[in-house]
Amino acid sequence: QSVLTQPPSASGTPGQRVTISCSGGNSNVGRHSVNWYQQFPGTAPRLLIYINDQRPSGVPHRFSGSKSGTSASLAISGLQSEDEADYYCASWDDSLNGWVFGGGTKLTVL
Amino acid sequence: EVELVESGGGLVQPGGSLRLSCAASGFTFSTSGMGWVRQAPGKGLEWVSSISTAIFSAGSVRGRFTISRDNSKNTLYLHMNSLRVDDTAVYYCATDNNGFKIWGQGTMVTVSS
Repeated sequence: QSVLTQPPSASGTPGQRVTISCSGGNSNVGRHSVNWYQQFPGTAPRLLIYINDQRPSGVPHRFSGSKSGTSASLAISGLQSEDEADYYCASWDDSLNGWVFGGGTKLTVL
Repeated sequence: EVELVESGGGLVQPGGSLRLSCAASGFTFSTSGMGWVRQAPGKGLEWVSSISTAIFSAGSVRGRFTISRDNSKNTLYLHMNSLRVDDTAVYYCATDNNGFKIWGQGTMVTVSS
């Protein structure tokens, strides 16, 4: 059971907009920023969004992040087949004194 | 080129020990926070430990795993003792500066008799 809650799966058709939610609590998301990671099978994760809504250089603008209270969301607009991957949210947790991850969401492009 | 390269993984019996290394290049290692994240086969990401001005470790490894660094060698370490079957995972090192930005390719640790 992960500290941060994500839906196990999400899907969309090419061109659609999809969102992935991340729910936490007052000791983590409610108090600290959220980062999002993208991972393809057999490869290392990649930082997709940091400090809630910032994109590292090289990340397409169609990826965006937001946070409100104890929940955060990752939105992907103009969905493409190459977006099919696992997505993880993460935040610092004051009670555990460490990073906590969501369980991951497997995105399928139909 | 910014790069992290892990090494030291392998097969070890339950109760055994292992030391992972992570060689850094292409950035100022000495001023960067660093961390270890693991992923059990078919499972999600799990943070293990981080080191910056302080050291933090997950409850599941506290007292068994120790993170350390040698800034003169641009190398991060994870000393793992009393290994258990459920420590089996790919171990990634990553820069940890308000998020894990640069990742290594990972090294597999298998704990089995």
